[in-house]
Amino acid sequence: EDQVTQSPEALRLQEGESSSLNCSYTVSGLRGLFWYRQDPGKGPEFLFTLYSAGEEKEKERLKATLTKKESFLHITAPKPEDSATYLCAAMQTGANSKLTFGKGITLSVRP
Amino acid sequence: ETGVTQTPRHLVMGMTNKKSLKCEQHLGHNAMYWYKQSAKKPLELMFVYNFKEQTENNSVPSRFSPECPNSSHLFLHLHTLQPEDSALYLCASSQSGQGPSNQPQHFGDGTRLSIL
Repeated sequence: EDQVTQSPEALRLQEGESSSLNCSYTVSGLRGLFWYRQDPGKGPEFLFTLYSAGEEKEKERLKATLTKKESFLHITAPKPEDSATYLCAAMQTGANSKLTFGKGITLSVRP
Repeated sequence: ETGVTQTPRHLVMGMTNKKSLKCEQHLGHNAMYWYKQSAKKPLELMFVYNFKEQTENNSVPSRFSPECPNSSHLFLHLHTLQPEDSALYLCASSQSGQGPSNQPQHFGDGTRLSIL
């Protein structure tokens, strides 16, 4: 069964304190690994897609990386406005574009 | 502005009521999705429509009935719901070819549904 596990469940950082969020996946044939950000009362907002091991993508203070078993979302010098829940999702080959989501990581950044 | 608009944003209904959720996408996509998001659980895919045809029903109870009249609009008709159906219902869309696509899905802000 396809599974996506995110850790830790919650993370509290001081402003400027860099850290990483982990997403482990077990799917037979990965077609894409997706990262989303979700703010309270809002829908998930698309951040990145990674398609193959070794791939990296960056956007402002965020960098996403991918290996054959996991993905990391690195947050460099976070600011309070980076506080949100971060979701990752895996898409399996031949899966009718179906995404399997993790439970998410709630990040809080204190000023 | 997400490009995917859901109405209403909040809905409270009794177990015997009938209501509908609406989703409209302005992104020119041809695949649309319904998801259920409950506290402490991953997003659960409910239905997938590709070029207006339903291509996935993820073992959803028949009290949820989807409708996709065209590639821009998606409805979820609700009747005789249960308290455990209270959740955030999210609509998403993506660009798709005739087969599966690896393009990202873009979400609306959801309808918060409460069943009394």
